[in-house]
Amino acid sequence: EPEVTQTPSHQVTQMGQEVILRCVPISNHLYFYWYRQILGQKVEFLVSFYNNEISEKSEIFDDQFSVERPDGSNFTLKIRSTKLEDSAMYFCATTLAGGYEQYFGPGTRLTVT
Amino acid sequence: AQRVTQPEKLLSVFKGAPVELKCNYSYSGSPELFWYVQYSRQRLQLLLRHISRESIKGFTADLNKGETSFHLKKPFAQEEDSAMYYCALTYNFNKFYFGSGTKLNVKP
Repeated sequence: EPEVTQTPSHQVTQMGQEVILRCVPISNHLYFYWYRQILGQKVEFLVSFYNNEISEKSEIFDDQFSVERPDGSNFTLKIRSTKLEDSAMYFCATTLAGGYEQYFGPGTRLTVT
Repeated sequence: AQRVTQPEKLLSVFKGAPVELKCNYSYSGSPELFWYVQYSRQRLQLLLRHISRESIKGFTADLNKGETSFHLKKPFAQEEDSAMYYCALTYNFNKFYFGSGTKLNVKP
């Protein structure tokens, strides 16, 4: 069964550095999402993306965050200047179309020191 | 605003006992409600959604608009049901709200 993949599985970075988290969606999926989960807290929606543009974003998704699909396959989340509070698990999810089941990736654990 | 509330962080039951994981939501329109499950060392996966009205792995959930609840139930818990369970809501499939999760521990 096809799966969403994410790389890296764990990223350690210093405060102020830029990080790029990568997601490879299931091949025919058209809608993409990023979520984060700070340790011990709830899964929080960050952003949704369809047809090469952001559909909706949360209050967390400020100017430090950006998403793109640079080559038609990878879906990336960039954090320009990481802060300690960005430490979390970041999950990518994809779906065939609106209203269909979301398939989640295994997550990337980001640790900002 | 808190959209989805799961009041129990941890729920422990014995194998064969009934289980109910609570979920309440706050939204005035007609949201879609979901239950997601995350087994140990596995990814989040959809368990069921209210619109399909089906039973998955013996679990059911009924949307109660009057009480704004979407509790997850199973009459006889199994050890393999031990996992984190998340209730989630969307109103447009562009943005999803998750609850804080309930860890279900089914004891032998």
